[in-house]
Amino acid sequence: AQSVAQPEDQVNVAEGNPLTVKCTYSVSGNPYLFWYVQYPNRGLQFLLKYITGDNLVKGSYGFEAEFNKSQTSFHLKKPSALVSDSALYFCAVTPRGYQKVTFGTGTKLQVIP
Amino acid sequence: SQTIHQWPATLVQPVGSPLSLECTVEGTSNPNLYWYRQAAGRGLQLLFYSVGIGQISSEVPQNLSASRPQDRQFILSSKKLLLSDSGFYLCAWSLGTAALDGANVLTFGAGSRLTVL
Repeated sequence: AQSVAQPEDQVNVAEGNPLTVKCTYSVSGNPYLFWYVQYPNRGLQFLLKYITGDNLVKGSYGFEAEFNKSQTSFHLKKPSALVSDSALYFCAVTPRGYQKVTFGTGTKLQVIP
Repeated sequence: SQTIHQWPATLVQPVGSPLSLECTVEGTSNPNLYWYRQAAGRGLQLLFYSVGIGQISSEVPQNLSASRPQDRQFILSSKKLLLSDSGFYLCAWSLGTAALDGANVLTFGAGSRLTVL
């Protein structure tokens, strides 16, 4: 069975500071890993993905994520947070060759002006 | 370009009444289709997914069912709603081929908010 853990319900960061949203996963074999963002009362939007290759993945709006196979982690990062980054962030995983996508419970990011 | 439509956007239903939420995708063929439920604005629970017409995988035993009568149409139904069925329902699609780039990236609809009273 595949699973995703997002250990923090909420992350608060001051505007201009770096941010990290944590994600660990469990899956058989090699994973596809994803980050999505959700604004209030909206569907989720894709941010970035890890398929293979470079462990540092760059995505939309200045976000990046680092794949760490030994720690089974895929933390989302941004060097300088914006107030507009405040939203709900979801990590997701699917085993390669399968279509079932499992999401974490979400982390609410609050960027304080 | 591909688009996904989901309706109705908002629904208030009494306990015991039936439910039908519909999702359609345009601009692609043979997509994978998904229904997720989001309770209390947080975690996403995968309810059903489909890799083709008439092929439905159910993830959680519950009061709901799904059908895929056409390639790009995915319907979520219930014969008798429960209070616990309240939530935000999200339909999503992804490419149905094994293309390496873009494989399994989900595109979500705007969601349907169901309140059962």
